[in-house]
Amino acid sequence: QVHLVESGGGVVQPGRSPRLSCAASGFTFRTYGMHWVRQAPGKGLEWVAVISYDGSSKYYADSVKGRFTISRDNSENTLYLQMDSLRAEDTAVYYCAKESGSSMGLDAWGQGTTVTVSS
Amino acid sequence: QSALTQPASVSGSPGQSITISCTGASTDVDDYKYVSWYQQHPGKAPKLIISGVSNRPSGVSIRFSASKSGITASLTISGLQAEDEADYYCSSYTASFFYVFGTGTKVTVL
Repeated sequence: QVHLVESGGGVVQPGRSPRLSCAASGFTFRTYGMHWVRQAPGKGLEWVAVISYDGSSKYYADSVKGRFTISRDNSENTLYLQMDSLRAEDTAVYYCAKESGSSMGLDAWGQGTTVTVSS
Repeated sequence: QSALTQPASVSGSPGQSITISCTGASTDVDDYKYVSWYQQHPGKAPKLIISGVSNRPSGVSIRFSASKSGITASLTISGLQAEDEADYYCSSYTASFFYVFGTGTKVTVL
């Protein structure tokens, strides 16, 4: 079955640039759009970014535009989120999620990786 | 980028039906058939329960149903059960900035 495993989280100092990874298995990764979604402590879901199946199209939330970069390696079945110029308000659980296709629902999610921005 | 508006909380007794609203705008909910709903239990990842406005993925209980009218989408849970106690989020595609979630609704089973 579909399996998504995020990694790369932890405690990070403001201004640092960690990269999150999401290892995918159980489906044909190269044929699906992929998203990053985050959830700050005690808060709701916030959409972060999406990348098309082939990596040719990328869109970002205004809150991360110019600081975060989504990418993918279809040969390694891995999704990435490069996070630059981190701020305290970027502290959250970061989930990767698979797009279901034409309905644009996110039908599979990883367990999440926690990023805490703190000096 | 404004989130879609949901009531903060909704409650009901076992066996009852409840409805959660999700209000957007003409540039998202009203304009596209890409409204989804997610269920999230504490400490867990969200789970897709409705996509394409009213379609239930395989394995999702038929007690969950959804619809859309204008700028407002709705999720109805029929025959409320204790296991339905969770947070629920709507989402929509939006031409302005691609994707947006609702503010979230906490469902309490009394």
